[in-house]
Parts: sequence; structure tokens; C-alpha cells
Amino acid sequence: QVQLVQSGAEVKKPGASVRVSCKASGYTFTSYYIHWVRQAPGQGLEWMGIINPSDGTTSYAQKFQGRLTMTRDTSTSTVYMELSSLRSEDTAVHYCARREVRFGGAIDYWGQGTLVTVSS
Amino acid sequence: IQLTQSPSSLSASVGDRVIITCRTSQGISSYLAWYQQKPGKAPKLLIYSASTLQSGVPSRFSGSGSGTDFTLTISSLQPEDFATYYCQQLKSYPHTFGQGTKLEIK
Repeated sequence: QVQLVQSGAEVKKPGASVRVSCKASGYTFTSYYIHWVRQAPGQGLEWMGIINPSDGTTSYAQKFQGRLTMTRDTSTSTVYMELSSLRSEDTAVHYCARREVRFGGAIDYWGQGTLVTVSS
Repeated sequence: IQLTQSPSSLSASVGDRVIITCRTSQGISSYLAWYQQKPGKAPKLLIYSASTLQSGVPSRFSGSGSGTDFTLTISSLQPEDFATYYCQQLKSYPHTFGQGTKLEIK
């Protein structure tokens, strides 16, 4: 069965960086793009960006340009999301999620979420 | 592309028919999905390509629309439907979400 398993919760100080991993299993890793979506406490969903695991190409939301980096390791079927220059507003649950082309690009599977807390 | 959902919140009773709308700032053909999210859980896909029901989703859920105006309809609310609903456009990057509609029990 398809699974996306994310790394554990992180607590970071303002100005630091965080890297969250997302390990995929149960399907061909390089055949499905991975979105990253976050949700601040009590707030809505925010799309951060997307990576094509086949060739590593990415597209990021404008507000994260320069601070966000998505990479992948095909040998371990893992995608990474790194966010730098953290501020308190980055406190959120961060999800990786699989894009399904057959569903018009909609997200059919989600990771369990990783809480990133930014606090001094 | 901006997405505007309405209403932002809604109180309804079991058995009610509920309609949530999503308007986009540019035409997106049918590249729209609807998700349901319950507290502490990841979202769940309900509808894709504006009107196609995801496998396993009850038939009381339906979606319609194309271009810039879309609706999610729940024909007869069940207790398990009280949640927050989001639309997402998949026409172009960034794949923005609507701000959400919180459906509460009246």
C-alpha cells in the first residue's frame, strides 16, 4: 500500500534551518510528483511547492523563493524539504503529499505531517 | 490564481443539503479538487477534476463547475461530514488552496 512517512517533530530557533524528510513506499517513486503543503495552527492549507522525483525539478510558491529547497534521493525513495531563515510564522504542520496525474493532478495520499515549531 | 471559498463557516443540521462555492480569479477549466479535513488529520480527497467522485467517497458528495465557478454539494449531511472543506486549483503553479469552509453542527 502507498505510504508517505515523514520525519519527526522539530523545534528550531529563529534564523535556523529545518529539513523534513518524506519516505515513499508502495509505488514507483519516480512516477509521481510530491507536493509540500503546510498548515499553521488553526489556519488553512498553504501550498509550498512541488518536486518531480524523476529528475529533481521543482516549483516553489513565490513567498518561499530563496528560503525553500526540495530535493530527492532516488536510492532511498525519499524527498526532503528544507526551509531556511526560520521565523515564528513558519510554525506549522508540514505535509508531503503525492500528486496523481490520473486525478487531474490532485493529491491522493498524504504523509502524517511534521510539526515544525520556531521559538526562541 | 486566487481562490475564494464561501461561506467561510456554516452551521447546518444532519439531513440538510449544503452547498460550498469556490471562485477562482482566472479560468482553470476543470482543474479543481475538493478535500475534507478533520481536526488533527491530513486532508482527504473527495472530488477531482471538478466533478469526479474519488473512489470510496459517499455519493452524497458531488462537485460541479468549470472555468471560474465551482460548487461542492453534500446532499444530506451525516454526522461524520462535520469538518473543514478546501478547494485547490491544479491548473498552474502555485497550486493554491481556498481559505476553507468550516462546517459545524447547528
